[in-house]
Amino acid sequence: EAGVAQSPRYKIIEKRQSVAFWCNPISGHATLYWYQQILGQGPKLLIQFQNNGVVDDSQLPKDRFSAERLKGVDSTLKIQPAKLEDSAVYLCASSPRFMNTEAFFGQGTRLTVV
Amino acid sequence: GESVGLHLPTLSVQEGDNSIINCAYSNSASDYFIWYKQESGKGPQFIIDIRSNMDKRQGQRVTVLLNKTVKHLSLQIAATQPGDSAVYFCAENVYNQGGKLIFGQGTELSVKP
Repeated sequence: EAGVAQSPRYKIIEKRQSVAFWCNPISGHATLYWYQQILGQGPKLLIQFQNNGVVDDSQLPKDRFSAERLKGVDSTLKIQPAKLEDSAVYLCASSPRFMNTEAFFGQGTRLTVV
Repeated sequence: GESVGLHLPTLSVQEGDNSIINCAYSNSASDYFIWYKQESGKGPQFIIDIRSNMDKRQGQRVTVLLNKTVKHLSLQIAATQPGDSAVYFCAENVYNQGGKLIFGQGTELSVKP
């Protein structure tokens, strides 16, 4: 079974620029998560989708971050404008359902804001 | 507040010894817990899970213990190998928050040959 695909793997941008990350979850997985992982810390949940609806986005900085999951499959996470503190690895994960099942992670996108 | 924390940020063990990684969680509504292993440059990988109606679950060389009374999880790795060197995270699935999957800070396990 194919895993969670993310692109790009690496991105370097200047502060105040915009950036977008793409995620293709495992086929048939209804739940999709975006996490931010700052170096030396655990992943922090930014947003959780169930199909194409948002379940939780309480920790998403909505003044600069946005995410969508069109047709309940692929998802994009956008940052506009980026700040230095947004430098992190952005992880996408998916699971068959929202409870009592593991989430499968992609390799992540390492973002560096200079 | 909601949090999943680990007692020790780093753990160094000798190859062949057993490792124990601890985790405290704070949300009593959590009913499913997962241990993940994360190697450098990779996403977290599932190791083992446990539901709240169990207090112990065993896998291949790994055992997870759950103590709901004190909200504590542990991961035991038997006969630790160099390939076990990684950062280990516990995560809790919070039922009354839409199934949020919350991660702790992680413990870095270093195995000395």
